[in-house]
Amino acid sequence: QSVLTQPPSASGTPGQRVTISCSASNSKIGRNTVHWYQQLPGTAPKLLIYSNNQRPSGVPDRFSGSKSGTSASLAISGLQSEDEAEYFCATWDDSLKGWVFGGGTKLTVL
Amino acid sequence: EMQLVESGGGLVKPGGSLRVSCAASEFTFSTYTMNWVRQAPGKGLEWVSSISSSGRYRFYADSVKGRFTISRDNDKNSLYLQMDSLRVDDTAVYYCARESGVTSADLWGRGTLVTVSS
Repeated sequence: QSVLTQPPSASGTPGQRVTISCSASNSKIGRNTVHWYQQLPGTAPKLLIYSNNQRPSGVPDRFSGSKSGTSASLAISGLQSEDEAEYFCATWDDSLKGWVFGGGTKLTVL
Repeated sequence: EMQLVESGGGLVKPGGSLRVSCAASEFTFSTYTMNWVRQAPGKGLEWVSSISSSGRYRFYADSVKGRFTISRDNDKNSLYLQMDSLRVDDTAVYYCARESGVTSADLWGRGTLVTVSS
């Protein structure tokens, strides 16, 4: 059972805006920043958003992140077929001295 | 191009041992904390272990503590995970991941599959 809760699935049509939520069962998210990873089918995860809302070089600005209290969100605007992937949120756990991940949200582009 | 390449995965019987490796290239490996993250078939991501840049500090998930040992060789730009007393539920793709200065995993390898089965 992940301490970060994500909806197992989400969907949208091309051009739509989709939001994926990530909520913490305790104050983990409140203290530390949240990162988002995209995992395309059959590939390794890739950093999509770091420090709540920062995009690494090369990530389109269609992807954005936000955080409020113990919840975070990933928004994808102008949805494209190549966005069909699984998305994971993650944060640093001070007691574990490691990362905790959400269970993942599988995004389907209809 | 910066790269992480894992190797050493395979089929092992329950109770057996295996060492997986991760070769880093095109970045200053010795300055980064490195991690292992695994993904069981059809499941999510699970952090396994981390090691500081010098190798002095090592941390483990409760699920592998006492059975797995992380190490590194900065001269060889390599990261290792020694896995002992393997269990069926250790079956997963094992990824090595570089930790950025803001605690994100900013570089991942392609992973190596470890299958524990009799």
